[in-house]
Amino acid sequence: NAGVTQTPKFRVLKTGQSMTLLCAQDMNHEYMYWYRQDPGMGLRLIHYSVGEGTTAKGEVPDGYNVSRLKKQNFLLGLESAAPSQTSVYFCASRAPVRGITDTQYFGPGTRLTVL
Amino acid sequence: GENVEQHPSTLSVQEGDSAVIKCTYSDSASNYFPWYKQELGKRPQLIIDIRSNVGEKKDQRIAVTLNKTAKHFSLHITETQPEDSAVYFCAASWTGGSYIPTFGRGTSLIVHP
Repeated sequence: NAGVTQTPKFRVLKTGQSMTLLCAQDMNHEYMYWYRQDPGMGLRLIHYSVGEGTTAKGEVPDGYNVSRLKKQNFLLGLESAAPSQTSVYFCASRAPVRGITDTQYFGPGTRLTVL
Repeated sequence: GENVEQHPSTLSVQEGDSAVIKCTYSDSASNYFPWYKQELGKRPQLIIDIRSNVGEKKDQRIAVTLNKTAKHFSLHITETQPEDSAVYFCAASWTGGSYIPTFGRGTSLIVHP
Protein backbone atom coordinates (compact mmCIF):
# COMPACT_ATOMS: atom_id res chain seq x y z
CA ASN A 1 0.00 0.00 0.00
CA ALA A 2 1.93 3.04 -1.29
CA GLY A 3 -0.67 5.63 -0.23
CA VAL A 4 -0.45 8.81 -2.31
CA THR A 5 2.42 9.14 -4.78
CA GLN A 6 3.44 12.00 -7.06
CA THR A 7 5.49 12.07 -10.24
CA PRO A 8 7.94 13.74 -10.80
CA LYS A 9 9.60 14.82 -7.54
CA PHE A 10 11.47 17.73 -9.13
CA ARG A 11 11.18 19.56 -12.43
CA VAL A 12 12.68 22.67 -14.00
CA LEU A 13 10.79 24.28 -16.87
CA LYS A 14 11.38 27.26 -19.10
CA THR A 15 8.68 29.90 -19.43
CA GLY A 16 6.07 28.77 -21.92
CA GLN A 17 6.76 25.05 -21.64
CA SER A 18 4.05 22.63 -20.64
CA MET A 19 4.02 19.68 -18.28
CA THR A 20 1.74 17.30 -16.42
CA LEU A 21 2.04 16.28 -12.79
CA LEU A 22 0.66 12.88 -11.89
CA CYS A 23 -0.93 11.97 -8.57
CA ALA A 24 -1.84 8.37 -7.86
CA GLN A 25 -3.50 6.80 -4.82
CA ASP A 26 -4.14 3.15 -4.06
CA MET A 27 -6.60 3.64 -1.20
CA ASN A 28 -9.73 3.75 -3.37
CA HIS A 29 -10.42 7.33 -2.23
CA GLU A 30 -13.18 9.32 -3.90
CA TYR A 31 -11.87 12.81 -3.20
CA MET A 32 -8.61 14.16 -4.59
CA TYR A 33 -7.04 17.61 -4.40
CA TRP A 34 -4.18 19.63 -5.84
CA TYR A 35 -2.54 22.31 -3.68
CA ARG A 36 0.36 24.66 -4.14
CA GLN A 37 2.55 25.71 -1.24
CA ASP A 38 4.50 28.95 -1.27
CA PRO A 39 6.51 30.39 1.63
CA GLY A 40 4.25 32.06 4.18
CA MET A 41 1.10 31.27 2.19
CA GLY A 42 0.06 27.92 3.58
CA LEU A 43 -1.66 25.43 1.29
CA ARG A 44 -3.82 26.91 -1.44
CA LEU A 45 -6.26 24.75 -3.34
CA ILE A 46 -5.87 24.71 -7.13
CA HIS A 47 -8.45 22.14 -8.26
CA TYR A 48 -10.23 19.20 -6.71
CA SER A 49 -12.31 16.18 -7.66
CA VAL A 50 -15.11 14.45 -5.78
CA GLY A 51 -15.07 11.36 -7.97
CA GLU A 52 -13.97 9.80 -11.24
CA GLY A 53 -14.82 12.06 -14.17
CA THR A 54 -15.46 15.15 -12.03
CA THR A 55 -13.31 18.22 -11.42
CA ALA A 56 -13.88 21.64 -9.87
CA LYS A 57 -11.94 24.87 -9.40
CA GLY A 58 -10.35 25.80 -6.11
CA GLU A 59 -8.94 29.06 -4.81
CA VAL A 60 -6.15 29.55 -7.40
CA PRO A 61 -7.09 27.68 -10.63
CA ASP A 62 -5.79 30.11 -13.26
CA GLY A 63 -3.08 28.64 -15.49
CA TYR A 64 -3.84 25.04 -14.49
CA ASN A 65 -6.06 22.28 -15.82
CA VAL A 66 -6.89 18.88 -14.33
CA SER A 67 -8.35 15.55 -15.30
CA ARG A 68 -9.67 12.56 -13.34
CA LEU A 69 -10.20 9.88 -15.96
CA LYS A 70 -9.50 7.07 -13.50
CA LYS A 71 -10.46 7.02 -9.84
CA GLN A 72 -6.90 6.41 -8.69
CA ASN A 73 -5.26 9.18 -10.74
CA PHE A 74 -5.54 12.96 -10.69
CA LEU A 75 -3.48 14.89 -13.25
CA LEU A 76 -2.47 18.55 -13.02
CA GLY A 77 -1.46 20.27 -16.24
CA LEU A 78 0.38 23.50 -16.91
CA GLU A 79 -0.18 24.49 -20.54
CA SER A 80 2.22 27.46 -20.63
CA ALA A 81 4.36 27.67 -17.53
CA ALA A 82 5.11 31.06 -15.93
CA PRO A 83 7.67 31.97 -13.24
CA SER A 84 4.73 32.68 -10.87
CA GLN A 85 4.00 28.95 -10.96
CA THR A 86 7.29 28.14 -9.27
CA SER A 87 6.11 26.32 -6.15
CA VAL A 88 5.83 23.02 -4.35
CA TYR A 89 2.76 21.10 -5.46
CA PHE A 90 1.00 18.64 -3.17
CA CYS A 91 -1.69 16.19 -4.06
CA ALA A 92 -4.05 14.85 -1.40
CA SER A 93 -6.83 12.29 -1.21
CA ARG A 94 -9.64 11.58 1.20
CA ALA A 95 -12.24 8.93 1.83
CA PRO A 96 -14.65 10.20 4.46
CA VAL A 97 -16.29 7.78 6.83
CA ARG A 98 -19.00 9.95 8.34
CA GLY A 99 -18.32 10.70 11.96
CA ILE A 100 -15.14 8.64 12.01
CA THR A 101 -12.56 10.12 9.73
CA ASP A 102 -12.12 13.09 7.41
CA THR A 103 -8.36 12.93 7.12
CA GLN A 104 -6.60 14.13 4.02
CA TYR A 105 -3.55 12.08 3.01
CA PHE A 106 -0.87 14.05 1.22
CA GLY A 107 1.62 12.96 -1.41
CA PRO A 108 5.35 13.72 -1.06
CA GLY A 109 5.19 16.83 -3.23
CA THR A 110 6.65 18.02 -6.53
CA ARG A 111 9.07 20.91 -6.52
CA LEU A 112 8.63 22.90 -9.73
CA THR A 113 10.87 25.73 -10.85
CA VAL A 114 9.96 27.86 -13.87
CA LEU A 115 12.80 29.92 -15.29
CA GLY B 1 -16.14 31.59 2.30
CA GLU B 2 -14.15 30.42 5.27
CA ASN B 3 -11.18 32.44 6.48
CA VAL B 4 -8.60 30.99 8.89
CA GLU B 5 -6.09 33.13 10.74
CA GLN B 6 -3.14 31.43 12.44
CA HIS B 7 -0.76 32.93 15.03
CA PRO B 8 2.08 33.21 15.63
CA SER B 9 3.89 32.75 12.34
CA THR B 10 7.07 31.78 14.21
CA LEU B 11 7.44 30.33 17.70
CA SER B 12 10.76 29.68 19.39
CA VAL B 13 10.88 27.71 22.67
CA GLN B 14 13.38 25.90 24.84
CA GLU B 15 13.27 22.13 25.05
CA GLY B 16 10.83 21.12 27.79
CA ASP B 17 8.70 24.26 27.48
CA SER B 18 5.11 24.27 26.26
CA ALA B 19 4.05 25.69 22.91
CA VAL B 20 0.63 27.05 21.96
CA ILE B 21 -0.54 27.87 18.43
CA LYS B 22 -3.87 29.60 17.91
CA CYS B 23 -6.28 29.72 14.98
CA THR B 24 -9.50 31.61 14.42
CA TYR B 25 -12.13 30.84 11.79
CA SER B 26 -15.00 32.82 10.35
CA ASP B 27 -17.65 30.33 9.19
CA SER B 28 -19.87 29.08 12.02
CA ALA B 29 -20.83 26.08 9.83
CA SER B 30 -17.29 24.64 10.08
CA ASN B 31 -17.35 21.48 12.17
CA TYR B 32 -13.99 19.80 11.65
CA PHE B 33 -10.59 21.19 12.67
CA PRO B 34 -7.45 19.18 11.83
CA TRP B 35 -3.85 20.07 12.64
CA TYR B 36 -0.99 19.03 10.36
CA LYS B 37 2.74 18.86 11.02
CA GLN B 38 5.14 19.39 8.15
CA GLU B 39 8.82 18.68 8.66
CA LEU B 40 11.32 20.35 6.34
CA GLY B 41 11.05 18.92 2.83
CA LYS B 42 8.29 16.49 3.83
CA ARG B 43 4.57 16.23 3.28
CA PRO B 44 1.97 17.55 5.77
CA GLN B 45 0.75 14.83 8.12
CA LEU B 46 -2.24 14.87 10.42
CA ILE B 47 -1.29 14.94 14.09
CA ILE B 48 -4.63 15.59 15.77
CA ASP B 49 -8.13 16.74 14.91
CA ILE B 50 -11.26 17.85 16.72
CA ARG B 51 -14.92 18.02 15.82
CA SER B 52 -17.35 20.72 16.80
CA ASN B 53 -19.17 18.53 19.33
CA VAL B 54 -16.01 18.21 21.45
CA GLY B 55 -14.25 20.93 23.43
CA GLU B 56 -10.89 19.28 23.97
CA LYS B 57 -8.92 16.29 22.72
CA LYS B 58 -5.57 14.94 23.91
CA ASP B 59 -3.01 12.56 22.46
CA GLN B 60 0.04 12.15 24.67
CA ARG B 61 1.93 15.47 24.60
CA ILE B 62 -0.40 17.24 22.19
CA ALA B 63 -3.88 18.58 22.77
CA VAL B 64 -6.37 20.68 20.86
CA THR B 65 -9.05 22.89 22.35
CA LEU B 66 -12.05 24.38 20.56
CA ASN B 67 -14.20 27.36 21.51
CA LYS B 68 -17.13 27.39 19.10
CA THR B 69 -18.63 30.57 20.53
CA ALA B 70 -15.45 32.55 19.96
CA LYS B 71 -14.62 30.59 16.79
CA HIS B 72 -11.09 29.74 17.78
CA PHE B 73 -9.10 26.58 18.37
CA SER B 74 -5.61 25.99 19.66
CA LEU B 75 -2.85 23.39 19.53
CA HIS B 76 -0.96 22.75 22.75
CA ILE B 77 2.33 20.86 22.84
CA THR B 78 3.80 20.09 26.26
CA GLU B 79 7.35 19.07 27.14
CA THR B 80 8.59 20.08 23.70
CA GLN B 81 11.46 18.16 22.13
CA PRO B 82 13.79 19.11 19.24
CA GLU B 83 11.94 16.66 16.99
CA ASP B 84 8.80 18.79 17.43
CA SER B 85 10.51 21.46 15.30
CA ALA B 86 8.40 21.79 12.15
CA VAL B 87 5.72 23.92 10.49
CA TYR B 88 2.24 23.36 11.90
CA PHE B 89 -0.92 24.10 9.94
CA CYS B 90 -4.45 24.39 11.22
CA ALA B 91 -7.50 23.98 9.01
CA ALA B 92 -11.24 24.42 9.26
CA SER B 93 -13.98 22.83 7.18
CA TRP B 94 -17.53 21.63 6.98
CA THR B 95 -17.54 17.86 6.48
CA GLY B 96 -20.66 17.84 4.36
CA GLY B 97 -20.61 18.40 0.62
CA SER B 98 -17.27 18.53 -1.18
CA TYR B 99 -15.16 19.04 1.97
CA ILE B 100 -12.89 21.93 1.06
CA PRO B 101 -10.74 22.73 4.11
CA THR B 102 -9.29 26.20 4.51
CA PHE B 103 -5.75 26.20 5.87
CA GLY B 104 -3.99 28.70 8.06
CA ARG B 105 -0.68 30.08 6.83
CA GLY B 106 1.37 27.96 9.19
CA THR B 107 3.51 28.36 12.31
CA SER B 108 7.18 27.55 12.27
CA LEU B 109 8.00 25.99 15.65
CA ILE B 110 11.65 25.90 16.66
CA VAL B 111 12.61 23.93 19.75
CA HIS B 112 16.08 24.75 21.03
CA PRO B 113 17.95 21.95 22.83
